[in-house]
Amino acid sequence: AQSVTQLGSHVSVSEGALVLLRCNYSSSVPPYLFWYVQYPNQGLQLLLKYTSAATLVKGINGFEAEFKKSETSFHLTKPSAHMSDAAEYFCAVYRDDKIIFGKGTRLHILP
Amino acid sequence: DADVTQTPRNRITKTGKRIMLECSQTKGHDRMYWYRQDPGLGLRLIYYSFDVKDINKGEISDGYSVSRQAQAKFSLSLESAIPNQTALYFCATSAPGPRQETQYFGPGTRLLVL
Repeated sequence: AQSVTQLGSHVSVSEGALVLLRCNYSSSVPPYLFWYVQYPNQGLQLLLKYTSAATLVKGINGFEAEFKKSETSFHLTKPSAHMSDAAEYFCAVYRDDKIIFGKGTRLHILP
Repeated sequence: DADVTQTPRNRITKTGKRIMLECSQTKGHDRMYWYRQDPGLGLRLIYYSFDVKDINKGEISDGYSVSRQAQAKFSLSLESAIPNQTALYFCATSAPGPRQETQYFGPGTRLLVL
């Protein structure tokens, strides 16, 4: 069965530093993969998605993720963190017409 | 105006009470979903519906029921609320076809069961 594992429930980075949020998936076939973001007191919104068209996927707000089949990973990165990036991030996989979410990583931005 | 709305946004109720959470959407999507979010557990699927006559149980349907009154409306009921149903509840929608894997979320309903 397909699922995702997010490494680190909390990640802290300094403003201007690289953001790296880790996600590994388990799947026997190339999956559809997503990153969703949840800002405080809001619902989730799609940040980016991988659908096998390209391994490097660019999303909103300067985020991108790279699908690496050899590592079964789909890590989310941003070169320079902003205070407004503080939020919870969810990696997810599409399976049987449903989305299976990881447990989330809360990103803290230090001034 | 928001595409996916949820009412109420916050609710406090007592153990044993029946409560209904409502979701409405103006996106014209056929597919609708109810999730609950608990700290450290991510989002878990409660029920989903692919059209008005289709209702399916998700991962954690026990203690919940749903009603799909129209394409645009999908309600979640707790027949007899219990404290461990305290959580943040989200409704989501998606469209069939090539973009079916992308879901659009409402703002959430924060429920506290005393």
